[in-house]
Amino acid sequence: DTEVTQTPKHLVMGMTNKKSLKCEQHMGHRAMYWYKQKAKKPPELMFVYSYEKLSINESVPSRFSPECPNSSLLNLHLHALQPEDSALYLCASSPRTVSYNEQFFGPGTRLTVL
Amino acid sequence: DAKTTQPPSMDCAEGRAANLPCNHSTISGNEYVYWYRQIHSQGPQYIIHGLKNNETNEMASLIITEDRKSSTLILPHATLRDTAVYYCIVRVLGASGGSYIPTFGRGTSLIVHP
Repeated sequence: DTEVTQTPKHLVMGMTNKKSLKCEQHMGHRAMYWYKQKAKKPPELMFVYSYEKLSINESVPSRFSPECPNSSLLNLHLHALQPEDSALYLCASSPRTVSYNEQFFGPGTRLTVL
Repeated sequence: DAKTTQPPSMDCAEGRAANLPCNHSTISGNEYVYWYRQIHSQGPQYIIHGLKNNETNEMASLIITEDRKSSTLILPHATLRDTAVYYCIVRVLGASGGSYIPTFGRGTSLIVHP
């Protein structure tokens, strides 16, 4: 299984809602990533988990809260988002965080904040 | 910090070779160059990566200059399905200041025409 799955595919939420994005991989990878991609822009790294521990937070606002319950699962909890947070949220995994490991990306969750 | 520069767009006739350049003039000596592509509304797909030597796989070839300041991705026989945004990626020091993170350039939108 060389697939990264993400649910839901689409999400519409209001600014007062709390929602979560889910990402799953069963490749035995120990590094997992969240990226944010605005329209016509490249993906931008948000968080990196290495061996289920948060290793990198790229100065992301606290209304985004990542969680890695186990080595196969990565969540992104959303609360009090702003309309400018509307974007494609991509999850990726790699064997480890080292430079020579390729990342496998999921299809993304398209988030719209009203 | 190493950053990448790519032409915003290119086009190629079907069946011909597509040569996609990338400048990464400040890349550090032990950082790999990665190439991914993103077909509209999908997650990025890994293509190839390299450190110093030229690399080839079933999808593409990667030519890295001897000084490592630039590279070229070659799709030897482009097809219509190769129409996508192609990203050259190196790791740069992140906003958090503590770690090198994979950083997408602006990418090249390749259009393969019949």
